Amino acid sequence: AAGVIQSPRHLIKEKRETATLKCYPIPRHDTVYWYQQGPGQDPQFLISFYEKMQSDKGSIPDRFSAQQFSDYHSELNMSSLELGDSALYFCASSLGSGTVYGYTFGSGTRLTVV
Amino acid sequence: LAKTTQPISMDSYEGQEVNITCSHNNIATNDYITWYQQFPSQGPRFIIQGYKTKVTNEVASLFIPADRKSSTLSLPRVSLSDTAVYYCLVGPLGQFYFGTGTSLTVIP
Repeated sequence: AAGVIQSPRHLIKEKRETATLKCYPIPRHDTVYWYQQGPGQDPQFLISFYEKMQSDKGSIPDRFSAQQFSDYHSELNMSSLELGDSALYFCASSLGSGTVYGYTFGSGTRLTVV
Repeated sequence: LAKTTQPISMDSYEGQEVNITCSHNNIATNDYITWYQQFPSQGPRFIIQGYKTKVTNEVASLFIPADRKSSTLSLPRVSLSDTAVYYCLVGPLGQFYFGTGTSLTVIP
């Protein structure tokens, strides 16, 4: 079965650079969620989109922005990168607000800022 | 948002049943309880979700008492491959936040 696809899998950037992470949800899923997980930490909710509109906002820094496109894929744009942005970034998708099957997470993008 | 409290870590021997309890005293009427499993460097994987009473699927059972202020994830006959972090999430559908999970270690 198709899963949530994230690209790239690994990304190395220097401080103050920008990065764009992409997420392709499961076909027919219309809701996308972004989470950030630092080393040894629990996943932190960043932002979510439903039908291309922002539906909920968590602890997303102002330097980050995200959007969901007409084909339902989503991109997380990160600017002025800091060392503390080094983390695993997960994307999850669901149909609507999530059913009894919860969200399906992708394998994540590991961002390293040097 | 309902705050959740879980044990930081648990150990269990292979073949035993493991019960992980999550406290969520301020759960709201429209909140659901969802459990995820996460292996290192992998995305969380959905285990089970419930609203009240008992829910069972092919991998786990979820027990929720009438007051819904806590829930217990039950993993039958764990194996070494069940070593992972288990998260209890409480919130309305579409608004789930992760708290501090339980690191389960299964011992041979």
